[in-house]
Amino acid sequence: SQQGEEDPQALSIQEGENATMNCSYKTSINNLQWYRQNSGRGLVHLILIRSNEREKHSGRLRVTLDTSKKSSSLLITASRAADTASYFCATASTGTASKLTFGTGTRLQVTL
Amino acid sequence: KAGVTQTPRYLIKTRGQQVTLSCSPISGHRSVSWYQQTPGQGLQFLFEYFSETQRNKGNFPGRFSGRQFSNSRSEMNVSTLELGDSALYLCASSLDRGHEAFFGQGTRLTVV
Repeated sequence: SQQGEEDPQALSIQEGENATMNCSYKTSINNLQWYRQNSGRGLVHLILIRSNEREKHSGRLRVTLDTSKKSSSLLITASRAADTASYFCATASTGTASKLTFGTGTRLQVTL
Repeated sequence: KAGVTQTPRYLIKTRGQQVTLSCSPISGHRSVSWYQQTPGQGLQFLFEYFSETQRNKGNFPGRFSGRQFSNSRSEMNVSTLELGDSALYLCASSLDRGHEAFFGQGTRLTVV
């Protein structure tokens, strides 16, 4: 079963704009990871944020985590057409950190 | 470092047959997990192996099984294939629980 929901389900923006995706989950977590997937291919790891961290950056990516609200957000700044993909959050719960539970994903379309 | 390698990339099987998928993790990674991705159910955890032992298992029938070898390579087997087993099967490798999980390109299984 899915751990939680991602919001929005689909997002369409123009190149150069920022894209924000949100993820909610249900249980206590050890960490939360964000992935990108292009057209049914493998998942590309973007960033991992641990439960004791509130914010993390990697290049044009910024991830926040609010454990009190059981939510996370992924911000992609200055989007490019190559960012077009599906984005998933995945949580590793405390106690079963070897198992990732995925959200439903956000489909991002970046147009020129 | 080479990434996670899954073979084969594509498979077409007939109902009732069995299939074996292979995954070679990143060098040094001892944890290998398997996931099934379908349009209806999303990404679902199958099982996780660490040092040749199954450490965690998802809610799949016994037709789905796996194993891990001493070199950390892993195989999963699906017996008595059903049409509903058609999916993208993804393998992930990690140093251990709580660490980043890196995915392979997946094996696309079609059952006809």
